[in-house]
Amino acid sequence: DQQVKQNSPSLSVQEGRISILNCDYTNSMFDYFLWYKKYPAEGPTFLISISSIKDKNEDGRFTVFLNKSAKHLSLHIVPSQPGDSAVYFCAAQNFQGGSEKLVFGKGTKLTVNP
Amino acid sequence: DARVTQTPRDKVTEMGQEVTMRCQPILGHNTVFWYRQTMMQGLELLAYFRNRAPLDDSGMPKDRFSAEMPDATLATLKIQPSEPRDSAVYFCASGLVPFTSRTNYGYTFGSGTRLTVV
Repeated sequence: DQQVKQNSPSLSVQEGRISILNCDYTNSMFDYFLWYKKYPAEGPTFLISISSIKDKNEDGRFTVFLNKSAKHLSLHIVPSQPGDSAVYFCAAQNFQGGSEKLVFGKGTKLTVNP
Repeated sequence: DARVTQTPRDKVTEMGQEVTMRCQPILGHNTVFWYRQTMMQGLELLAYFRNRAPLDDSGMPKDRFSAEMPDATLATLKIQPSEPRDSAVYFCASGLVPFTSRTNYGYTFGSGTRLTVV
């Protein structure tokens, strides 16, 4: 039973355009959400996060949007660069409930073409 | 740059053999996780520790997997006996809980141990 779902296994975009990666969750107890980026042969690295009290968080070219009513979040990368090519994992946490556990989606492989 | 160190980087072993994977968390971090990455399941949580005490190992096959933290600088994940279905990349991650505004809200992952059981 996947509590965090990334329904697109892959995404291909042109350099300079916007990349939009989507994530859905089913557990209404999740109140903290994170995106991790993973390059081949490396561990996932933290990218950006958002608390459920917000609907948007921005860090440079990366913006995460949260729609709690739809249990949906998305990561926008603008403009996309070839170095952004990686697997992106969405993760969720019941932070206020005191859980340290991160529940991950299966990831979306982003390819940014020059 | 503080990092989580995992050894070995790659391990090929025969079915039935014991496998031990090691992790050195970031100094000062009090929470350590073991995750497994497979194509089918993505990143699955196997077990985690807070201040060296096991808090949750419900994601681990109990009959063959065991996780320990002998001290604050070492976490181990053992598989005995190993099976081909255990082939995956195993990640260790550490973090400082509770989070504060001055800390990174995400956990830091190691580079993983790629296990192949033949």
